[in-house]
Amino acid sequence: ETAVFQTPNYHVTQVGNEVSFNCKQTLGHDTMYWYKQDSKKLLKIMFSYNNKQLIVNETVPRRFSPQSSDKAHLNLRIKSVEPEDSAVYLCASRLWGAYEQYFGPGTRLTVL
Amino acid sequence: GQQVKQSSPSLTVQEGGILILNCDYENDMFDYFAWYKKYPDNSPTLLISVRSNVDKREDGRFTVFLNKSGKHFSLHITASQPEDTAVYLCAANYGGSGNKLIFGTGTLLSVKP
Repeated sequence: ETAVFQTPNYHVTQVGNEVSFNCKQTLGHDTMYWYKQDSKKLLKIMFSYNNKQLIVNETVPRRFSPQSSDKAHLNLRIKSVEPEDSAVYLCASRLWGAYEQYFGPGTRLTVL
Repeated sequence: GQQVKQSSPSLTVQEGGILILNCDYENDMFDYFAWYKKYPDNSPTLLISVRSNVDKREDGRFTVFLNKSGKHFSLHITASQPEDTAVYLCAANYGGSGNKLIFGTGTLLSVKP
């Protein structure tokens, strides 16, 4: 199956803990994204990688760090989570030179 | 600015009706315009899109219109069906550094049988 896959689906943790989310795409794309969907359902870009190179880095707190091992994988680590980090984190991918982006199912993070 | 604005947070239409969803953007750096459909607790899926060198694209019951001079694009849905009930997100690609999609806040569409 060709798609964008994310793990875990849900994660509940406490303030100050570290979390990691994984994203893998089997669409043959070379550009991947992390978006955050907040409580108001607004979808905002956080990071973008093209072939393991960071190309978009929006203004996000330094506790967020993306990690890319190859063009098919883009993970997101959050050191010392805060309550405002509670959101759905969506991974997406596209082919460089094309505009269409395809989204994964999301990871819902709840910080207690 | 890099904002994309959807003016209607919600819309209700009777089954079979025609509806129009609207979106405005702020500057000429946007070069691709898309509409995504999102069911609750699901991820957005691409519905229809158009590049900035085209002012209209039709796909079945769905048509996207682009008005570049007005910095406005819209989604027209004809013969609406209950399964069209969802959140519709407009998005535009900001063609500056990095090429990033900027999303609107969404319009919740309800199609009543």
